[in-house]
Amino acid sequence: DAKTTQPPSMDCAEGRAANLPCNHSTISGNEYVYWYRQIHSQGPQYIIHGLKNNETNEMASLIITEDRKSSTLILPHATLRDTAVYYCIVRVQTGNQFYFGTGTSLTVIP
Amino acid sequence: DSGVTQTPKHLITATGQRVTLRCSPRSGDLSVYWYQQSLDQGLQFLIQYYNGEERAKGNILERFSAQQFPDLHSELNLSSLELGDSALYFCASSVEGQGLEAFFGQGTRLTVV
Repeated sequence: DAKTTQPPSMDCAEGRAANLPCNHSTISGNEYVYWYRQIHSQGPQYIIHGLKNNETNEMASLIITEDRKSSTLILPHATLRDTAVYYCIVRVQTGNQFYFGTGTSLTVIP
Repeated sequence: DSGVTQTPKHLITATGQRVTLRCSPRSGDLSVYWYQQSLDQGLQFLIQYYNGEERAKGNILERFSAQQFPDLHSELNLSSLELGDSALYFCASSVEGQGLEAFFGQGTRLTVV
């Protein structure tokens, strides 16, 4: 699975959009981009995933660049409950496990 | 609530001992994954079972073993425990072996003293 690079930490004001970047320059054509988050030692929580097209669900939006070498997770209106470590993971759909890196620690500030 | 149940939530034991962690996957999920999270290592994949069979192995020590039973619940056995085994142990499940979405339990916090 391709390696990902994320900033170690970010701050975001409550109510504003949080944009979390992820670089995956070695991504292969059959590898998906997944995002999970972990709130204070709880079990990681699935957020969203995508292959080529931008994706949106009730939690977030995923924007993938045309060359697929980077992506951005967007939390449209961040709340204090969104304070967590966010993991960007790249893997093939038939992969057997998720490799979690160090992630981005997002702090939402009142 | 992810639907994945792990027991116990907390466990304190002495070095050299053996413990068993239990995981009940979401109803209908055939695949179970075990992960270890310690302060200095992040989330490390240990092992995956699919419908009772071992599917993939990660950084699992020889002192650790796991199995998945016919009712699909899984157990992770940790033996000859060392101080460095203190960590959060997470179980996750998914419908298929490939696991587009993996649903994680709340973890078992193991403290070895």
